[in-house]
Amino acid sequence: QVQLVQSGAEVKKPGASVKVSCKASGYSFATYDINWVRQATGQGLEWMGWMNPNAGNTGYAQKFQGRVTITRNTSISTAYMELSSLRSEDTAVYYCATGTRTFDFWGQGTLVTVSS
Amino acid sequence: DIVMTQTPLTSPVTLGQPASISCRSSQSLVDSEGKTHLSWLQQRPGQPPRLLIYRISKRFSGVPDRFSGSGVGTDFTLKISRVEPEDVGVYYCMQAKQFPRTFGQGTKVEIK
Repeated sequence: QVQLVQSGAEVKKPGASVKVSCKASGYSFATYDINWVRQATGQGLEWMGWMNPNAGNTGYAQKFQGRVTITRNTSISTAYMELSSLRSEDTAVYYCATGTRTFDFWGQGTLVTVSS
Repeated sequence: DIVMTQTPLTSPVTLGQPASISCRSSQSLVDSEGKTHLSWLQQRPGQPPRLLIYRISKRFSGVPDRFSGSGVGTDFTLKISRVEPEDVGVYYCMQAKQFPRTFGQGTKVEIK
């Protein structure tokens, strides 16, 4: 069955960077886009960006342009989301999700806490 | 950006009774091929979101048939025919007609 397994929780200081991984299994990794969505505690869902794992092309929400980078390693079916210049407002659960027009399957989420 | 607006934000329901959530988009979600890219997601407490409905009314694999979606253009509805205890959570509509993908604020379904 399709599974997306994300890396563990992170605690970072303001100004630092964080890199979250998302390992896919149960399907051909190159077939479906990977999206990254975040959710602050008690808040709604916020789309950050996407990648086509086959071609490697990406797109990012304007809000995160210049701070977010999505990459992949197709040999291990893993996508990565790196967010730099962290601030306290970036404290949230970060999710990866497969799909282009539909977000079919989701990772379990990775809590990133930004605190001095 | 396309703005997605859900109503109500909270829906207290009695077990076994129906529930309905509305979602309105600030622009049409119909693409050049005539497909409408509106999905519904469910997020149970402490869990990641889960796809329920895509393209307005298509149930995703494994989704019970008590969930149904309808609508056209910019106005959409998710209905639960008879609410079960496991339906408690927050429901989001999402548009994927254009980037950035955007979500509604979420509607919390709780038991009275």
